[in-house]
Parts: sequence; structure tokens; C-alpha cells
Amino acid sequence: ETGVTQTPRHLVMGMTNKKSLKCEQHLGHNAMYWYKQSAKKPLELMFVYSLEERVENNSVPSRFSPECPNSSHLFLHLHTLQPEDSALYLCASSLTWGGGWGDTQYFGPGTRLTVL
Amino acid sequence: GENVEQHPSTLSVQEGDSAVIKCTYSDSASNYFPWYKQELGKGPQLIIDIRSNVGEKKDQRIAVTLNKTAKHFSLHITETQPEDSAVYFCAVQYSGAGSYQLTFGKGTKLSVIP
Repeated sequence: ETGVTQTPRHLVMGMTNKKSLKCEQHLGHNAMYWYKQSAKKPLELMFVYSLEERVENNSVPSRFSPECPNSSHLFLHLHTLQPEDSALYLCASSLTWGGGWGDTQYFGPGTRLTVL
Repeated sequence: GENVEQHPSTLSVQEGDSAVIKCTYSDSASNYFPWYKQELGKGPQLIIDIRSNVGEKKDQRIAVTLNKTAKHFSLHITETQPEDSAVYFCAVQYSGAGSYQLTFGKGTKLSVIP
């Protein structure tokens, strides 16, 4: 496979469930990102990892817990979510973070999450 | 932090006509300006980008222009085709104070009418 892949593509969960989203990039990049995309709102950056170290955490509630075991894989662990957390969760990667003249980000297809 | 405004929010054009989407930003330290296309059920796909040392960039039917003085940049699509129908997002990377986040506009839904 090439590019950025995400699994599952669709997820329905109850508020008491625990689930995980997975992202894998096949581009040899060193930075990976989680974004939240809600209707009629701009993409919201949640977390950034650079060389497996978290470098950005944009005031995301603790019910979202990221994990980056290596530069190719990124997870988002979910627990006790709220209905307002229903959204499309996008993973992205870039060659670098803070690369001076701009870090081109490549996105995966997203996971459509519905919290009941 | 950076603030990005994108207009219009919706745009309908006849096939073959041109489409223009404009974004304004607030911080003059921003130096990277990508455009993304998102089709239904897919993630955003980079279609063109420009850096602050360049005023214009073209790739076949797509072009981006940057006016650093006025702090705005625009996406131009010529000879539009039905497959250009999608939501387009502009973004701005601010490189000040050690933060390199992309700030996105709210998107423009482009409909190309055959």
C-alpha cells in the first residue's frame, strides 16, 4: 500500500466503550498528525508527533489518548466519549515538522466516528 | 495565532468556466500556503501549494497567486470539469514562536454544472 491508510473507516461506539483508531504511513515521513473534522468547522489539529515525540497537544480532552510507537504508526485511543465527539478523524503525515519553508502534509481517508 | 478567512463558502460554475477561491490571513510571518481538495468520503488531497518567496504557481488548469502585502492568496481553476466538484480548503502555516501548525479555512464547496 502507498500513502496514508486509516482503519477502521467507520466506527460506531457507545459512550462507555473503549476503541482505537489506527493510522499507518508508507511515505518514510517523520511527523504524524491527528485532526478532527466536524461539519461547518475548519479542520482542528489535535496532536502532532515528530520522530515519535509528541510536540503539539491542542488542549484536547483526556478521553482522547494518542500513541506513536514508531514513525510509521499512529494510534488514537478513545474512551468515555461524548456524542459531540462524533466527527471524521483524519491522520496526516509530513516529511518533517518545522521544516522551515513549510511541511507538506498528506492525509489519510479518515475514520467516520459516531458516538451514541 | 493565525486567522484564516475563506470565501466564498459555496460556488457554482458552468462546465468550462473558471472558478476562483480566495483566502486571507492575519500574520505576516506565515510562509507556506497549501490548497487541498476533498471529495465525498475521502481525506483532503493536496492539489497545489506556494511558499512566500513566490508570487504565482501553476500546474495545468490550477494556479495559486499570493499577495504578501495584502495577506491574501487565491486558487484559480480554469476550464472547470464535473470532476472538479468537491470541497476546497486553503491553509496557512505560521512559522513564528516555534509553532508550525497549519491553520485551515472553513472550505468552499465547488459545484461544476455540466
